[in-house]
Amino acid sequence: AQKITQTQPGMFVQEKEAVTLDCTYDTSDPSYGLFWYKQPSSGEMIFLIYQGSYDQQNATEGRYSLNFQKARKSANLVISASQLGDSAMYFCAMRELGQAGGYNKLIFGAGTRLAVHP
Amino acid sequence: NAGVMQNPRHLVRRRGQEARLRCSPMKGHSHVYWYRQLPEEGLKFMVYLQKENIIDESGMPKERFSAEFPKEGPSILRIQQVVRGDSAAYFCASSPPTGVGYTFGSGTRLTVV
Repeated sequence: AQKITQTQPGMFVQEKEAVTLDCTYDTSDPSYGLFWYKQPSSGEMIFLIYQGSYDQQNATEGRYSLNFQKARKSANLVISASQLGDSAMYFCAMRELGQAGGYNKLIFGAGTRLAVHP
Repeated sequence: NAGVMQNPRHLVRRRGQEARLRCSPMKGHSHVYWYRQLPEEGLKFMVYLQKENIIDESGMPKERFSAEFPKEGPSILRIQQVVRGDSAAYFCASSPPTGVGYTFGSGTRLTVV
């Protein structure tokens, strides 16, 4: 069965420093996708970055980058130059192909709460 | 181009009442997914619907929960005879006909008192 593990319940970082949030996954499907979402205290789910299993390069989106190590089955999120507004819950998720095909369910990890200190 | 619209944002129900949560997908999206987030947990898949069809309800509790996505109007997640354990955030997401690519709504926070 597919599974996402986030082993860091909480992390803190000084403003302007970089931080890495860990995510490991387990799947036997050769084709999969990995997502990171941010959930601020207001509660909405904000998409940050996506990595496909066949993508040759690590995904980057502004200050966010995904350190994708396929052999280790890890997809860590790196946030550079942290800002106070980055304080939030962060969820790693994996796409699971639906049994009927043609759609995707997401499997989420338990999340990591990031606190950025001034 | 409005995103995925969920309402209400907050809903309070007494034990035994019914809760109705609404989701209007993004324009051009015909696929709707519902997820539940219990306190301090990640989101868990509940059900996937296309217009007038439930395709995958493998994550739905067997009793009291139902979902629909009619030809006209929003998708509805209905919880009958709510209990305290139903208190959670319920998120809707929509995707285009390809089924790939997600946009989440802001969620409905259900509190059962």
